[in-house]
Amino acid sequence: SAVISQKPSRDICQRGTSLTIQCQVDSQVTMMFWYRQQPGQSLTLIATANQGSEATYESGFVIDKFPISRPNLTFSTLTVSNMSPEDSSIYLCSVAWTANYEQYFGPGTRLTVT
Amino acid sequence: SQQGEEDPQALSIQEGENATMNCSYKTSINNLQWYRQNSGRGLVHLILIRSNEREKHSGRLRVTLDTSKKSSSLLITASRAADTASYFCATDAETSGSRLTFGEGTQLTVNP
Repeated sequence: SAVISQKPSRDICQRGTSLTIQCQVDSQVTMMFWYRQQPGQSLTLIATANQGSEATYESGFVIDKFPISRPNLTFSTLTVSNMSPEDSSIYLCSVAWTANYEQYFGPGTRLTVT
Repeated sequence: SQQGEEDPQALSIQEGENATMNCSYKTSINNLQWYRQNSGRGLVHLILIRSNEREKHSGRLRVTLDTSKKSSSLLITASRAADTASYFCATDAETSGSRLTFGEGTQLTVNP
């Protein structure tokens, strides 16, 4: 496994503002993903963070709302833009070294939008 | 659409008893992974079972996979109060490129 950190661990933000969440891994990984967990619910995949190219978004998620960067094999950011209370969730990054192997998750960022 | 469904949604048992959680899915998979989540924190990876495997063990955990029924089960033996958490299954579909689809989760409460 790897050590995966996320910053910030939690934040309270005003509606209409944006927040950038960072995900750092202590070793190079092939795949990185971003998930959202709304209150009391399961996890939903937002997008695959591709190193050096645009992220691949799942149905219902768009780049203007959730821009993602992945400048190298150990780091990625997710921005939640123009936030509304419906964006209040836990946001988690995950990593995998290769296909069909274990996927590990960061500790999550708990976001509350007021 | 949601790939995985888990049952029961909630399970309450006494310490020392066994806990069984079930997961069903809809499409062909490469693997199925089980995770634990304590109180809305990050997910802890428990075990991965590949589509060509039928059973796997790790400590007090036993996972089975029946691809003909598209279902899996997680058994926790001799449960402890510290096992209290939400448990999720996640499937890696054959065409998904490691993008996981999660079940709804089972909330397990182990009473001391």
